[in-house]
Amino acid sequence: DGGITQSPKYLFRKEGQNVTLSCEQNLNHDAMYWYRQDPGQGLRLIYYSQIVNDFQKGDIAEGYSVSREKKESFPLTVTSAQKNPTAFYLCASMGGQGARGNTEAFFGQGTRLTVV
Amino acid sequence: QQQVKQSPQSLIVQKGGIPIINCAYENTAFDYFPWYQQFPGKGPALLIAIRPDVSEKKEGRFTISFNKSAKQFSLHIMDSQPGDSATYFCAARDFNKFYFGSGTKLNVKP
Repeated sequence: DGGITQSPKYLFRKEGQNVTLSCEQNLNHDAMYWYRQDPGQGLRLIYYSQIVNDFQKGDIAEGYSVSREKKESFPLTVTSAQKNPTAFYLCASMGGQGARGNTEAFFGQGTRLTVV
Repeated sequence: QQQVKQSPQSLIVQKGGIPIINCAYENTAFDYFPWYQQFPGKGPALLIAIRPDVSEKKEGRFTISFNKSAKQFSLHIMDSQPGDSATYFCAARDFNKFYFGSGTKLNVKP
């Protein structure tokens, strides 16, 4: 079945440690996105990528890094510079290319990151 | 600054009631307005969506009302069921970026 796979489902990070969240899609979508979800704040855009080997910062990119070496994969690294990383992280891909842009976001099941 | 403002933050209705969730925006470049439903521990899933040249769209028990001049849109859930209990997000698209509301946690009591 086509979809987006995020792993792991739960992740624990020690202070000062970098961790990487995986996101893989087999929908053949060009665009991929990372969102952070905190209670009462909705989804906030961290990074996005419209094409392989290219990505742009979103609204809250500080303390995060990404890479896009393959169309299917868009891993997110939460660095030690991110002071408050505990959150639910969602990866999305979007399809329906055209002059009107992408028409639907497909989300993974999320990774819950906790600092211990 | 939040591009899409959503209210209420939480909502409790009895089974069969009609919960209404409202969203407002300022950016006139937005051209597509989806609603997402999210269950605890899961990713959001597309529920229904509308374009600004349409004032209303129905899919099953879910209806979007859109007021372009007021820059507001809302989700109505007819004959709500306990299984509809979830968090609902409105969103707006500016070409290849989506902006999400802060979410509404709906609880439908049996």
